[in-house]
Amino acid sequence: DQQVKQNSPSLSVQEGRISILNCDYTNSMFDYFLWYKKYPAEGPTFLISISSIKDKNEDGRFTVFLNKSAKHLSLHIVPSQPGDSAVYFCAASAISGYELNFGKGTSLLVTP
Amino acid sequence: EPEVTQTPSHQVTQMGQEVILRCVPISNHLYFYWYRQILGQKVEFLVSFYNNEISEKSEIFDDQFSVERPDGSNFTLKIRSTKLEDSAMYFCASSPIGSSNQPQHFGDGTRLSIL
Repeated sequence: DQQVKQNSPSLSVQEGRISILNCDYTNSMFDYFLWYKKYPAEGPTFLISISSIKDKNEDGRFTVFLNKSAKHLSLHIVPSQPGDSAVYFCAASAISGYELNFGKGTSLLVTP
Repeated sequence: EPEVTQTPSHQVTQMGQEVILRCVPISNHLYFYWYRQILGQKVEFLVSFYNNEISEKSEIFDDQFSVERPDGSNFTLKIRSTKLEDSAMYFCASSPIGSSNQPQHFGDGTRLSIL
């Protein structure tokens, strides 16, 4: 079953603009959320995370927002750069476990 | 920056044969994981390992799978009697402590092709 959903398979954004990637989850036991970035032929690279006690976490150009009541999180990239072009995965884990539950990913293309 | 390394990058095996995928986790990490990604599908959790024993496993991780930490640095995934449907990218990951509030760091994966 899809406990973590990324409903947009792809997104195209112009360089310098904001990229917003969305993720929804169904399991109310999830308490830790992560974004990973993946280039072809490489493994997922950790980008940013947020714990359920927060609603926002920022790291440079990347900000993750968490709306627990809506079971929704988003990743904002500002400003977007061509090197940000990759597949972005949302993942979540529950306090009781070790398993990361992944979404199917959103392919971001940043055009010059 | 320390990283998780996986070997080989690509493994081709005949159906029914045994295969061992190898991983060297980040040196000061204590928790180790295996995931797989079948082409076109999401990354799926297989197993987590801590203190020389399995701490959690998914339904995918049946009796044909096993994990081992044979020495202080390697972490292996063995698949006995491989099937066509085992063809996938297999990712190893590690973290300093358990999943909550600590990111898992992934290797670049082993592409397993079963013929």
